[in-house]
Amino acid sequence: DQQVKQNSPSLSVQEGRISILNCDYTNSMFDYFLWYKKYPAEGPTFLISISSIKDKNEDGRFTVFLNKSAKHLSLHIVPSQPGDSAVYFCAASVGSNYKLTFGKGTLLTVNP
Amino acid sequence: ETGVTQTPRHLVMGMTNKKSLKCEQHLGHNAMYWYKQSAKKPLELMFVYNFKEQTENNSVPSRFSPECPNSSHLFLHLHTLQPEDSALYLCASSQAEGLSNQPQHFGDGTRLSIL
Repeated sequence: DQQVKQNSPSLSVQEGRISILNCDYTNSMFDYFLWYKKYPAEGPTFLISISSIKDKNEDGRFTVFLNKSAKHLSLHIVPSQPGDSAVYFCAASVGSNYKLTFGKGTLLTVNP
Repeated sequence: ETGVTQTPRHLVMGMTNKKSLKCEQHLGHNAMYWYKQSAKKPLELMFVYNFKEQTENNSVPSRFSPECPNSSHLFLHLHTLQPEDSALYLCASSQAEGLSNQPQHFGDGTRLSIL
């Protein structure tokens, strides 16, 4: 049973517009959430994280929102750029981040 | 070199071969991890080492044998693998297990194909 779900395998947006990637989780014990980006033939790269004591964390063009009651988080990228085209993974953990549970990923394509 | 380096990048082996995957990190981290990513599946944690001690074995078959001689190096010894073991194997490192808000840093992975 998947504890972290990314229900959209792919997303396509126009350059300059907002990209919204979604992630749902089932384990209410998760209290730390991360987003990773992965280009082909490279390993995942850490993007941004959020702890359950917050509902929003922002870093430049990237903002993560956490809705604990809905067990839902989302990653907003504004404005989207062609270089953002990659697979985005949502991950979650209980307590420390050593045991991450990942979603299957969403392929984002930003069209020029 | 910086970051997390994995070798080889690609490996093709028969089911009776013995091979090893290597991971080295230059980030001064004390925790290291092996993950497996099969097609159309999420990354699955296999092993965790914290200060050279194994702290997690996620029910991994014994044909996968990890080794962590020091905090900078991690190996995955492979023996008598099955075709379903074909996957991308990713190594990661982080500050010591138990420290919050310390993301894991990944290598580029070894693409393993079992014939």
